[in-house]
Amino acid sequence: AQKITQTQPGMFVQEKEAVTLDCTYDTSDPSYGLFWYKQPSSGEMIFLIYQGSYDQQNATEGRYSLNFQKARKSANLVISASQLGDSAMYFCAMREGSYNFNKFYFGSGTKLNVKP
Amino acid sequence: EADIYQTPRYLVIGTGKKITLECSQTMGHDKMYWYQQDPGMELHLIHYSYGVNSTEKGDLSSESTVSRIRTEHFPLTLESARPSHTSQYLCASSESRTGLEKLFFGSGTQLSVL
Repeated sequence: AQKITQTQPGMFVQEKEAVTLDCTYDTSDPSYGLFWYKQPSSGEMIFLIYQGSYDQQNATEGRYSLNFQKARKSANLVISASQLGDSAMYFCAMREGSYNFNKFYFGSGTKLNVKP
Repeated sequence: EADIYQTPRYLVIGTGKKITLECSQTMGHDKMYWYQQDPGMELHLIHYSYGVNSTEKGDLSSESTVSRIRTEHFPLTLESARPSHTSQYLCASSESRTGLEKLFFGSGTQLSVL
């Protein structure tokens, strides 16, 4: 079974509007971490936001927030006030395990296009 | 923020050549990883390392090999490159001493084998 599922291959959003990128995950480990990374066309992976499985509050980092619904196993990324520079691929990832080696799993990504 | 470096950034070579993709990090991280990514696709783990003299194969089978003789250095080698090896290779590191263990990525090496 897929560990991370991103069902939106591509999304369009108007500049200055908010957009939600979907991510669901699958794990039986009680301790895990959820991440979102941005990959511009230049190819590097940029860390955006993190949510731990035991965190009570949804994570926020500037214009990024993570809508964490543990019972539904979803970790959607919300980008408020979209900017043209937000156009990129966005990957949801999960770190599973607490001790020794933690494995990271990535989704297939969502390509976000911000329209002027 | 990230102090992890990959060279070369782009590499175009002919079939049969031996190549080494370099990856170095200055953060003292114990864990390092190599991911392979085709354009617009997900990342696949091909190698990882717990620390010096520790290397393991990842989830995606790869003909490449890696070594970890020093903490900061994690090179990937292809003994005989083929067109099927054309892809982007991303190196990453992480450390487990702090509560948040996240991946720091290099800028990637785009490999094209003709």
